[in-house]
Amino acid sequence: AQKITQTQPGMFVQEKEAVTLDCTYDTSDQSYGLFWYKQPSSGEMIFLIYQGSYDEQNATEGRYSLNFQKARKSANLVISASQLGDSAMYFCAMREGTYNFNKFYFGSGTKLNVKP
Amino acid sequence: DTEVTQTPKHLVMGMTNKKSLKCEQHMGHRAMYWYKQKAKKPPELMFVYSYEKLSINESVPSRFSPECPNSSLLNLHLHALQPEDSALYLCASSQVRGSSNQPQHFGDGTRLSIL
Repeated sequence: AQKITQTQPGMFVQEKEAVTLDCTYDTSDQSYGLFWYKQPSSGEMIFLIYQGSYDEQNATEGRYSLNFQKARKSANLVISASQLGDSAMYFCAMREGTYNFNKFYFGSGTKLNVKP
Repeated sequence: DTEVTQTPKHLVMGMTNKKSLKCEQHMGHRAMYWYKQKAKKPPELMFVYSYEKLSINESVPSRFSPECPNSSLLNLHLHALQPEDSALYLCASSQVRGSSNQPQHFGDGTRLSIL
């Protein structure tokens, strides 16, 4: 089974609007971390935001927030006030807390296009 | 600027050549990673080094040979590659253990083309 599922291959959003990128995960670990990365066309993977399995509050970092619904095993990324520079691939990733601690599982990614 | 530095940024090589990719970090991280990424796909884990020892090899062909000479450096030696090995090669580093909130920090990658 896929550890991380991103069901939206591509998304369009109008500049200045908010957009939600979906991510669901599968793990039997109680302790795990969820990460979102942005990858512009230039190639670098930029860490955006983190949510821990024990965190009771949704993570926020500037215009990025993570809508964490533990019972549904979802960790959606919300980008508020989209900017043209937000156009990129976005990957959701998970690290499990026990075995293979250093192994990240990546989803297939969502290509976001911000329209002017 | 990223804190993980990869060189070269671009590499074109023939199938009989031998070349090396280099990765350097000075964040005190003791876990380092090599990933291969094809266009429009997620990164695929190749190798993980933990405390300079190989801890994960994801069944990578022997034409890829990793090396971790010290805690700051990670190399990937390439020999007799195939055209399908053309990809973006990403290096990353992270804390080994501790809180699971530690992200992996990535370099800008090396774009490799095999002729």
